[in-house]
Amino acid sequence: RKEVEQDPGPFNVPEGATVAFNCTYSNSASQSFFWYRQDCRKEPKLLMSVYSSGNEDGRFTAQLNRASQYISLLIRDSKLSDSATYLCVVNRNNFNKFYFGSGTKLNVKP
Amino acid sequence: DGGITQSPKYLFRKEGQNVTLSCEQNLNHDAMYWYRQDPGQGLRLIYYSQIVNDFQKGDIAEGYSVSREKKESFPLTVTSAQKNPTAFYLCASSTGNGETQYFGPGTRLLVL
Repeated sequence: RKEVEQDPGPFNVPEGATVAFNCTYSNSASQSFFWYRQDCRKEPKLLMSVYSSGNEDGRFTAQLNRASQYISLLIRDSKLSDSATYLCVVNRNNFNKFYFGSGTKLNVKP
Repeated sequence: DGGITQSPKYLFRKEGQNVTLSCEQNLNHDAMYWYRQDPGQGLRLIYYSQIVNDFQKGDIAEGYSVSREKKESFPLTVTSAQKNPTAFYLCASSTGNGETQYFGPGTRLLVL
């Protein structure tokens, strides 16, 4: 079983739509959680860390459910510029290794 | 500016040739990482280093080698033993406490 699993998509949504991605992780010892954004042929860039209490940054909201071992990302009022691949990343601090999902591709259409 | 630099942006390798990819960071991070990404795929860990003069194999270390002689630098050598080296190579660093990873702009390696 993969450490981190994501629906590869693509999610095709119109501008202004709300879209949600989920990600599941297999190891209950995981301690740090992140969402990264990767544009085509570019490096991944941190979108937001995910905290137990949930956190929001503008149009983006991240949630963590430790009991069910999943992380979610909600994007409200989608913009054309949100089109990218979104990577779910999990860290088990004691090994200092990061585990990446394969990414979910989002296409926002005019 | 603080950050991670990788060079070259594009690299061409001939059959049987070893090539070295450069990664430098001025973030004062202890941990550094090398990943490989194939088209349409996720990131796979090649090697990582938590401290100077120490490094560990990742999931796909065969055909690659690294060194960590300085905190700022973590070069990756793709040896001739790596039979399918064409990929996008990404270097990253972090504080080493499970905090965020930051990535360099990547190197695209192509085989002639």
